[in-house]
Amino acid sequence: EDQVTQSPEALRLQEGESSSLNCSYTVSGLRGLFWYRQDPGKGPEFLFTLYSAGEEKEKERLKATLTKKESFLHITAPKPEDSATYLCAVQASNTGFQKLVFGTGTRLLVSP
Amino acid sequence: DTGVSQDPRHKITKRGQNVTFRCDPISEHNRLYWYRQTLGQGPEFLTYFQNEAQLEKSRLLSDRFSAERPKGSFSTLEIQRTEQGDSAMYLCASGVGGDTQYFGPGTRLTVL
Repeated sequence: EDQVTQSPEALRLQEGESSSLNCSYTVSGLRGLFWYRQDPGKGPEFLFTLYSAGEEKEKERLKATLTKKESFLHITAPKPEDSATYLCAVQASNTGFQKLVFGTGTRLLVSP
Repeated sequence: DTGVSQDPRHKITKRGQNVTFRCDPISEHNRLYWYRQTLGQGPEFLTYFQNEAQLEKSRLLSDRFSAERPKGSFSTLEIQRTEQGDSAMYLCASGVGGDTQYFGPGTRLTVL
Protein backbone atom coordinates (compact mmCIF):
# COMPACT_ATOMS: atom_id res chain seq x y z
CA GLU A 1 0.00 0.00 0.00
CA ASP A 2 1.30 3.46 -0.90
CA GLN A 3 2.27 5.48 2.14
CA VAL A 4 3.57 8.98 2.95
CA THR A 5 5.07 10.05 6.28
CA GLN A 6 5.87 13.70 7.00
CA SER A 7 8.07 15.05 9.75
CA PRO A 8 8.10 16.97 11.93
CA GLU A 9 4.37 17.26 12.65
CA ALA A 10 4.86 20.87 13.68
CA LEU A 11 7.73 23.31 13.37
CA ARG A 12 8.17 26.72 14.89
CA LEU A 13 10.79 29.04 13.38
CA GLN A 14 11.92 32.58 13.92
CA GLU A 15 11.76 34.85 10.88
CA GLY A 16 14.92 34.27 8.84
CA GLU A 17 15.69 30.89 10.44
CA SER A 18 16.07 28.36 7.61
CA SER A 19 14.96 24.75 7.98
CA SER A 20 13.76 21.65 6.09
CA LEU A 21 10.61 19.56 6.08
CA ASN A 22 10.81 15.84 5.34
CA CYS A 23 8.51 13.59 3.33
CA SER A 24 9.28 9.84 3.31
CA TYR A 25 7.32 7.64 0.94
CA THR A 26 6.75 4.07 -0.15
CA VAL A 27 5.00 3.62 -3.46
CA SER A 28 4.75 0.89 -6.04
CA GLY A 29 6.37 2.91 -8.80
CA LEU A 30 6.51 6.69 -8.40
CA ARG A 31 4.84 8.73 -11.11
CA GLY A 32 5.18 12.03 -9.28
CA LEU A 33 5.66 13.64 -5.87
CA PHE A 34 3.72 16.79 -5.09
CA TRP A 35 4.06 19.54 -2.51
CA TYR A 36 1.08 21.67 -1.54
CA ARG A 37 0.59 24.52 0.91
CA GLN A 38 -2.66 24.70 2.87
CA ASP A 39 -3.87 27.67 4.90
CA PRO A 40 -6.48 27.10 7.63
CA GLY A 41 -9.96 26.55 6.22
CA LYS A 42 -8.78 26.58 2.60
CA GLY A 43 -7.99 24.04 -0.08
CA PRO A 44 -4.41 22.92 -0.82
CA GLU A 45 -2.43 25.26 -3.08
CA PHE A 46 -0.08 23.59 -5.55
CA LEU A 47 3.64 24.30 -5.11
CA PHE A 48 5.81 21.72 -6.90
CA THR A 49 5.84 18.45 -8.82
CA LEU A 50 8.96 16.24 -8.81
CA TYR A 51 9.24 13.21 -11.07
CA SER A 52 12.65 11.61 -10.64
CA ALA A 53 15.43 11.25 -8.08
CA GLY A 54 17.85 14.14 -8.20
CA GLU A 55 15.27 16.62 -9.44
CA GLU A 56 15.03 20.01 -7.70
CA LYS A 57 12.53 22.85 -8.04
CA GLU A 58 12.55 26.34 -6.54
CA LYS A 59 9.99 29.04 -5.94
CA GLU A 60 10.86 32.15 -3.95
CA ARG A 61 12.07 30.95 -0.52
CA LEU A 62 11.11 27.30 -1.14
CA LYS A 63 13.19 24.55 -2.72
CA ALA A 64 12.01 20.96 -3.15
CA THR A 65 14.32 17.99 -3.70
CA LEU A 66 13.68 14.32 -4.37
CA THR A 67 15.53 11.05 -3.70
CA LYS A 68 14.33 7.48 -4.22
CA LYS A 69 12.89 7.32 -0.70
CA GLU A 70 12.18 10.87 0.41
CA SER A 71 11.67 14.49 -0.49
CA PHE A 72 12.71 17.62 1.33
CA LEU A 73 11.13 21.05 1.29
CA HIS A 74 13.82 23.58 2.22
CA ILE A 75 12.66 26.96 3.46
CA THR A 76 15.29 29.69 3.30
CA ALA A 77 14.94 32.81 5.45
CA PRO A 78 11.22 32.25 6.08
CA LYS A 79 8.77 35.08 6.68
CA PRO A 80 5.60 35.04 8.80
CA GLU A 81 3.50 34.73 5.63
CA ASP A 82 5.10 31.31 5.04
CA SER A 83 3.16 30.00 8.04
CA ALA A 84 0.86 27.22 6.81
CA THR A 85 0.53 23.45 6.68
CA TYR A 86 2.73 21.88 4.01
CA LEU A 87 1.38 18.68 2.49
CA CYS A 88 3.30 16.07 0.53
CA ALA A 89 1.56 13.60 -1.79
CA VAL A 90 2.62 10.78 -4.10
CA GLN A 91 1.10 9.51 -7.30
CA ALA A 92 1.70 5.89 -8.23
CA SER A 93 2.40 4.84 -11.78
CA ASN A 94 0.37 1.65 -11.54
CA THR A 95 -3.03 3.32 -11.29
CA GLY A 96 -4.82 4.60 -14.35
CA PHE A 97 -6.39 7.54 -12.61
CA GLN A 98 -3.44 8.85 -10.64
CA LYS A 99 -5.04 9.54 -7.27
CA LEU A 100 -2.89 11.41 -4.78
CA VAL A 101 -1.91 9.77 -1.50
CA PHE A 102 -1.20 12.46 1.08
CA GLY A 103 0.77 12.62 4.29
CA THR A 104 -0.65 14.32 7.37
CA GLY A 105 1.35 17.49 6.78
CA THR A 106 3.81 19.68 8.67
CA ARG A 107 2.34 22.72 10.42
CA LEU A 108 4.83 25.56 10.09
CA LEU A 109 4.66 28.67 12.24
CA VAL A 110 7.09 31.51 11.53
CA SER A 111 7.30 34.15 14.23
CA PRO A 112 8.46 37.72 13.52
CA ASP B 1 -8.20 32.31 -15.17
CA THR B 2 -10.72 31.17 -12.60
CA GLY B 3 -9.73 28.29 -10.40
CA VAL B 4 -11.81 25.40 -9.10
CA SER B 5 -14.92 26.64 -7.33
CA GLN B 6 -17.07 24.80 -4.81
CA ASP B 7 -20.49 25.56 -3.40
CA PRO B 8 -21.50 25.90 -0.65
CA ARG B 9 -18.41 26.74 1.35
CA HIS B 10 -20.05 25.70 4.59
CA LYS B 11 -22.96 23.39 5.32
CA ILE B 12 -24.50 22.57 8.69
CA THR B 13 -27.06 19.81 8.71
CA LYS B 14 -28.80 17.51 11.11
CA ARG B 15 -28.07 13.81 11.24
CA GLY B 16 -30.20 11.90 8.77
CA GLN B 17 -30.58 14.75 6.28
CA ASN B 18 -29.32 14.62 2.70
CA VAL B 19 -26.78 17.14 1.42
CA THR B 20 -25.40 17.94 -2.04
CA PHE B 21 -22.20 19.75 -2.92
CA ARG B 22 -21.20 21.22 -6.26
CA CYS B 23 -17.79 21.55 -7.89
CA ASP B 24 -16.96 23.58 -10.99
CA PRO B 25 -13.53 22.57 -12.33
CA ILE B 26 -11.08 24.72 -14.23
CA SER B 27 -12.34 25.14 -17.76
CA GLU B 28 -11.21 22.37 -20.14
CA HIS B 29 -9.91 20.13 -17.34
CA ASN B 30 -11.11 16.65 -18.21
CA ARG B 31 -10.22 15.01 -14.88
CA LEU B 32 -12.10 15.70 -11.68
CA TYR B 33 -11.40 14.27 -8.23
CA TRP B 34 -13.21 14.36 -4.88
CA TYR B 35 -11.27 14.08 -1.62
CA ARG B 36 -12.27 14.25 2.03
CA GLN B 37 -10.13 15.83 4.75
CA THR B 38 -10.64 15.59 8.50
CA LEU B 39 -8.90 17.73 11.08
CA GLY B 40 -5.18 17.07 11.34
CA GLN B 41 -5.17 14.67 8.39
CA GLY B 42 -4.24 14.93 4.75
CA PRO B 43 -6.92 14.69 2.05
CA GLU B 44 -8.17 11.16 1.27
CA PHE B 45 -9.27 10.14 -2.21
CA LEU B 46 -12.98 9.47 -2.71
CA THR B 47 -13.72 9.26 -6.42
CA TYR B 48 -12.49 10.21 -9.90
CA PHE B 49 -14.11 11.28 -13.17
CA GLN B 50 -12.61 11.43 -16.60
CA ASN B 51 -14.99 13.59 -18.59
CA GLU B 52 -18.45 12.29 -17.59
CA ALA B 53 -17.35 8.77 -16.69
CA GLN B 54 -16.83 7.84 -13.05
CA LEU B 55 -13.83 5.53 -13.31
CA GLU B 56 -12.83 4.89 -9.72
CA LYS B 57 -14.39 4.93 -6.27
CA SER B 58 -12.62 4.51 -2.95
CA ARG B 59 -13.78 2.03 -0.35
CA LEU B 60 -14.35 5.15 1.79
CA LEU B 61 -17.30 5.97 -0.47
CA SER B 62 -20.15 4.06 1.14
CA ASP B 63 -23.45 3.47 -0.64
CA ARG B 64 -24.78 6.64 1.02
CA PHE B 65 -22.45 8.65 -1.19
CA SER B 66 -23.06 9.29 -4.88
CA ALA B 67 -21.26 11.51 -7.33
CA GLU B 68 -22.11 12.64 -10.83
CA ARG B 69 -20.53 14.68 -13.56
CA PRO B 70 -23.14 15.24 -16.23
CA LYS B 71 -21.78 16.33 -19.61
CA GLY B 72 -18.27 16.25 -18.22
CA SER B 73 -18.45 19.73 -16.74
CA PHE B 74 -19.45 20.44 -13.12
CA SER B 75 -19.77 17.63 -10.59
CA THR B 76 -22.03 16.99 -7.62
CA LEU B 77 -21.41 14.90 -4.52
CA GLU B 78 -24.48 13.82 -2.56
CA ILE B 79 -24.50 12.29 0.89
CA GLN B 80 -27.72 10.62 1.96
CA ARG B 81 -28.77 10.05 5.57
CA THR B 82 -25.79 11.98 6.93
CA GLU B 83 -24.00 10.72 10.03
CA GLN B 84 -21.79 12.64 12.48
CA GLY B 85 -18.79 10.79 11.06
CA ASP B 86 -19.40 12.49 7.72
CA SER B 87 -18.32 15.83 9.21
CA ALA B 88 -15.24 16.86 7.23
CA MET B 89 -13.92 19.19 4.53
CA TYR B 90 -14.90 17.92 1.08
CA LEU B 91 -12.37 18.98 -1.54
CA CYS B 92 -12.67 18.92 -5.30
CA ALA B 93 -9.68 18.98 -7.62
CA SER B 94 -9.32 19.09 -11.38
CA GLY B 95 -6.53 18.44 -13.84
CA VAL B 96 -5.58 17.74 -17.42
CA GLY B 97 -4.16 14.36 -18.27
CA GLY B 98 -2.62 12.68 -15.28
CA ASP B 99 -0.57 15.56 -14.03
CA THR B 100 -1.02 18.21 -11.35
CA GLN B 101 -4.34 18.43 -9.53
CA TYR B 102 -5.62 21.88 -8.62
CA PHE B 103 -7.85 22.07 -5.59
CA GLY B 104 -10.87 24.18 -4.84
CA PRO B 105 -11.55 25.96 -1.53
CA GLY B 106 -13.56 23.02 -0.16
CA THR B 107 -16.96 22.59 1.43
CA ARG B 108 -16.92 22.21 5.19
CA LEU B 109 -19.72 19.90 6.36
CA THR B 110 -20.85 19.80 9.97
CA VAL B 111 -23.38 17.13 10.93
CA LEU B 112 -25.13 17.81 14.24
